[in-house]
Amino acid sequence: AQSVTQLGSHVSVSEGALVLLRCNYSSSVPPYLFWYVQYPNQGLQLLLKYTSAATLVKGINGFEAEFKKSETSFHLTKPSAHMSDAAEYFCAVSEYSSASKIIFGSGTRLSIRP
Amino acid sequence: GAVVSQHPSRVICKSGTSVKIECRSLDFQATTMFWYRQFPKQSLMLMATSNEGSKATYEQGVEKDKFLINHASLTLSTLTVTSAHPEDSSFYICSARPRTSGTYEQYFGPGTRLTVT
Repeated sequence: AQSVTQLGSHVSVSEGALVLLRCNYSSSVPPYLFWYVQYPNQGLQLLLKYTSAATLVKGINGFEAEFKKSETSFHLTKPSAHMSDAAEYFCAVSEYSSASKIIFGSGTRLSIRP
Repeated sequence: GAVVSQHPSRVICKSGTSVKIECRSLDFQATTMFWYRQFPKQSLMLMATSNEGSKATYEQGVEKDKFLINHASLTLSTLTVTSAHPEDSSFYICSARPRTSGTYEQYFGPGTRLTVT
């Protein structure tokens, strides 16, 4: 069974500092991996996705993530945090199958300090 | 492109009544739609997978008689919460997989906030 674990339910960084949100996955087959962002009372917006192409994936809003098979990780980073980055971030995994369900991690709330 | 809408965005209903939530893919056809629920400060939990023209597949622990899903067309899926109770209050989010995309591509709606009084 596939699953994702997000380390840290809440991360707080200063504006301009590095953002690092951690995600580890478990999958019996090569996975598809995603990062989504959710602003309060809104749906999900896809930040980036890994689909077995390049291991370093660049997304929107300056975010990127690196797929590391040896560590079963897919951490999300951004070099310089902006106040508008404050939101809930979800890591998710999907396996290539007819069902193609997406399974979400527990989420990490990112706060930005002025 | 790839916009998914949900209606209503917010609904308040009395305990014991039923409420229907619509999920529409506005600019693409979706062979599969997914329904999630999200409790405050928690993650999204997949409730069911809905395929056009066939019965929905429910996740373990989800009552299929309580959460009725209909996927009557390639652009519309509905979730009906029957005999709603306060514990059904939640944020319901749908997603849709385009007919022509790879299996991993899903687009999410903005969610529906259900409050049962």
